[in-house]
Amino acid sequence: DTAVSQTPKYLVTQMGNDKSIKCEQNLGHDTMYWYKQDSKKFLKIMFSYNNKELIINETVPNRFSPKSPDKAHLNLHINSLELGDSAVYFCASRHTGTSGRASDTQYFGPGTRLTVL
Amino acid sequence: GQQLNQSPQSMFIQEGEDVSMNCTSSSIFNTWLWYKQDPGEGPVLLIALYKAGELTSNGRLTAQFGITRKDSFLNISASIPSDVGIYFCAGQLPGSNYKLTFGKGTLLTVNP
Repeated sequence: DTAVSQTPKYLVTQMGNDKSIKCEQNLGHDTMYWYKQDSKKFLKIMFSYNNKELIINETVPNRFSPKSPDKAHLNLHINSLELGDSAVYFCASRHTGTSGRASDTQYFGPGTRLTVL
Repeated sequence: GQQLNQSPQSMFIQEGEDVSMNCTSSSIFNTWLWYKQDPGEGPVLLIALYKAGELTSNGRLTAQFGITRKDSFLNISASIPSDVGIYFCAGQLPGSNYKLTFGKGTLLTVNP
């Protein structure tokens, strides 16, 4: 199936650990995003990559480091996890084009629920 | 940061009723999008709006891009139990590199 996929679906870890979340899309898109959804369901963008190049970097602690090995993948590595990092992290992708129509649409993955104990 | 004011925060309705929710902002947006999120899933795009005044339907859903470009509404007609979920508006500011700003969501509960 064509989709945005994330692994793992659930991640439970201790404070201070380092962990990674992976995202892959097979939609042929060239821009990918990471969003954080807090306990109140508020969605906030963290990063965006276009053709493996960082184009959006919101005010995110530098413990969070995205890495895009190719256009189809955007991984998120988190160092020294803190309690406040507990959230659902969503990956999304979009195809950039010359038209403002379908190219503006972002497609979301199923999310990774991170719990820091 | 930029805020989108989405209302209502939650709605409890009976099956068959119509529903309306909206988003407003003090800034002009290029694009308005409406997403639905089911529990344990990612947001799924319902309707995308690209032009001021545009009115678009997707089945029982209708959304409009406000003339001022600072607001949008979503209507759901003849609601059914599977309409339950969180509905998010999202807007894209000019020059934002296609960054989406999300509203805080409307939790819809439909009683059969």
